Order: sequence, then C-alpha cells, then structure tokens
Amino acid sequence: AQSVSQHNHHVILSEAASLELGCNYSYGGTVNLFWYVQYPGQHLQLLLKYFSGDPLVKGIKGFEAEFIKSKFSFNLRKPSVQWSDTAEYFCAVRFGTGGFKTIFGAGTRLFVKA
Amino acid sequence: KAGVTQTPRYLIKTRGQQVTLSCSPISGHRSVSWYQQTPGQGLQFLFEYFSETQRNKGNFPGRFSGRQFSNSRSEMNVSTLELGDSALYLCASSPGDGYNEKLFFGSGTQLSVL
Repeated sequence: AQSVSQHNHHVILSEAASLELGCNYSYGGTVNLFWYVQYPGQHLQLLLKYFSGDPLVKGIKGFEAEFIKSKFSFNLRKPSVQWSDTAEYFCAVRFGTGGFKTIFGAGTRLFVKA
Repeated sequence: KAGVTQTPRYLIKTRGQQVTLSCSPISGHRSVSWYQQTPGQGLQFLFEYFSETQRNKGNFPGRFSGRQFSNSRSEMNVSTLELGDSALYLCASSPGDGYNEKLFFGSGTQLSVL
C-alpha cells in the first residue's frame, strides 16, 4: 500500500539553527509532492510543492525541498529557523489515475526556542 | 473569497450514535476530500469527491460514508460511533481533480465520542 513516512515526530531547535525534515514515500508511479504546514491555531496550508523539472523547489518563508527520485525522498530544509517557524509540518504525496488522492505523513512538530 | 467552511466546529456524541459533518468548499472548487487527524497518526485519507462522484476511498470501515451535492458541498457520516472515532475531521477542497492540485483546508470538526 502507498504510504508516506516522516522520520522525526518532534524536533526542537534554537533560533538560527538549520532544519532538515525527512520524508520518504512508497509508490512506484509518478507522484506530485507537497509540504504543508499548520501553525498554532491556523489551518493547514501549502508550504511548497514539486510537480516536475528542477528537483530543488523553493517555497514560502525561506523553505526549500529536494526531490530525490532514486531514494523516494522529499526532504524539507531551511538554513536558519526562526521562532515563528514553530508549527507542525506534513509531507504529502498525490498520485493516481482516473481519480487522485493525496496521502499525508504523520507530521513533525517543530519547536523553535527563542 | 471565503475559505473552506466546516460545521459544526465541535461535536460531542456517545458510543453507538451517528453523526453528520458538513463541508462547504471554496466557491468554484469541485473537488472535496475528507481526512481524519489524530495525534501521532497524521492525516488519514477518508475519501475524495469530484462532481458528486466518489473518486477514491481510504481504508476506513463502511461506517464512514460521504456524499457530495450538485453545489459541491459535501457531507460525511459516521454511524455506530466508537471511542476510537474521536478525532479532528478535516475537509479540503481543490478546483478540479487534476494531478497537480493543491488542497485548501478548513478548520475541521472536532468530534469527541464518550
């Protein structure tokens, strides 16, 4: 069955530290990849997405992610986190034919200490 | 443009009862997906509807059902509630059912089963 795995459930960093959140998926066909973020008290919202082309994609607020097809991975990175990045981050994969679905990982809770 | 609206915001039910949750997508969006969110499990895919047709279904028992109306509004029904059904139920809409659709989420309905 198709699945999305996020390597870390909880991450605690100090401001200015670098961030990398791991994401792997299992699906043999073509996929579109997403990272969504849920800030405290807010809706889930799109952070960035990969459809095709350059495997290094940039999103909002200085986040970027790299798609490595051979590793079925789509890791999220940020060179220097801020206190306002405290949130829960979800990796997601969209796939299908004749009807699509988006499945999500379990999420990673990031806490950034000021 | 109004966002995705879910009602009610909170629900308390007892075991054995049934419940209906409602979702109004963003105006013009024709696809609606439902997810169950629980701590540590992330978002579990329930189903996705497009133009009143269920296009995809997750691995949930038949007690979970849904439908979509001609105005794209969607309802989700859970019958014979169990304690384990306590969760945040999220609805997401997107313009179509394309491969590269990003999802727009509502605030969710928090269901507590006692």
